[in-house]
Amino acid sequence: AQSVAQPEDQVNVAEGNPLTVKCTYSVSGNPYLFWYVQYPNRGLQFLLKYITGDNLVKGSYGFEAEFNKSQTSFHLKKPSALVSDSALYFCAVRDGTGFQKLVFGTGTRLLVSP
Amino acid sequence: DTEVTQTPKHLVMGMTNKKSLKCEQHMGHRAMYWYKQKAKKPPELMFVYSYEKLSINESVPSRFSPECPNSSLLNLHLHALQPEDSALYLCASSQDRRGVTDTQYFGPGTRLTVL
Repeated sequence: AQSVAQPEDQVNVAEGNPLTVKCTYSVSGNPYLFWYVQYPNRGLQFLLKYITGDNLVKGSYGFEAEFNKSQTSFHLKKPSALVSDSALYFCAVRDGTGFQKLVFGTGTRLLVSP
Repeated sequence: DTEVTQTPKHLVMGMTNKKSLKCEQHMGHRAMYWYKQKAKKPPELMFVYSYEKLSINESVPSRFSPECPNSSLLNLHLHALQPEDSALYLCASSQDRRGVTDTQYFGPGTRLTVL
C-alpha cells in the first residue's frame, strides 16, 4: 500500500531563515505526491504536487519541494520563512488504486518565530 | 477559481438528531469527496463520488449517508451520531480524468460536535 511518513511532529525556525519539512514515501509504481497546508480551523490548501518531470517542483506562496527518488523523499522547502507560514503541513500520496484517493502523512506543525 | 464551499461552518447536534452537511463547487469537477479529520490528525477519506456515482465507501458506519444530487453538490446526511463522531468534516473536489492525477481542492470544513 502507498504511504508517506513525516518524521517530525514539529519544526521550529526563525523568520527569514530557510525551512524544510520532511516527507518520505513508500509506493509501488510511480509516486504521485502532494503537499497541503492547513491553518487553524480551516480546510487544506494545495501547495504543490509531483507527478513526473523536474525533481524541483515550485508551488504556491514561495514553497518548493524536491523529489529524490534514491532517497524516496519529497521534502518541502522555502528559502525564507515568514511568521504567517506557521501552520500544519501534510504530505500526501495518491493511492495505487484506480481512484483518486489520497493517503496523508501524520502532519508536521511549523512554527516560525519573529 | 478553486473554491469549494461548505455549510454550515459549525454544527452542534444531539445523538437523536438528523442533520445534513452541504458542499458545493462550481469548477466543473466530476469527483467529490468527504473526509473526516479528528484534532491533530490527518484527514481520513470517507466517500468518493465520481460522475455522481458512489465510487468509494471506506467502510463508514451507516449513520453517515452521502448523497450527490448533481455534479456541483454533495451532501452528508447524519443520523444517530455518537460523541466520537465529533470532528472536522472536509469536502473536496477534483477533475476526474482517466489516467491523470488531479489535484483535490478542499473546502473550509464543518466543525461537528455531537452531544
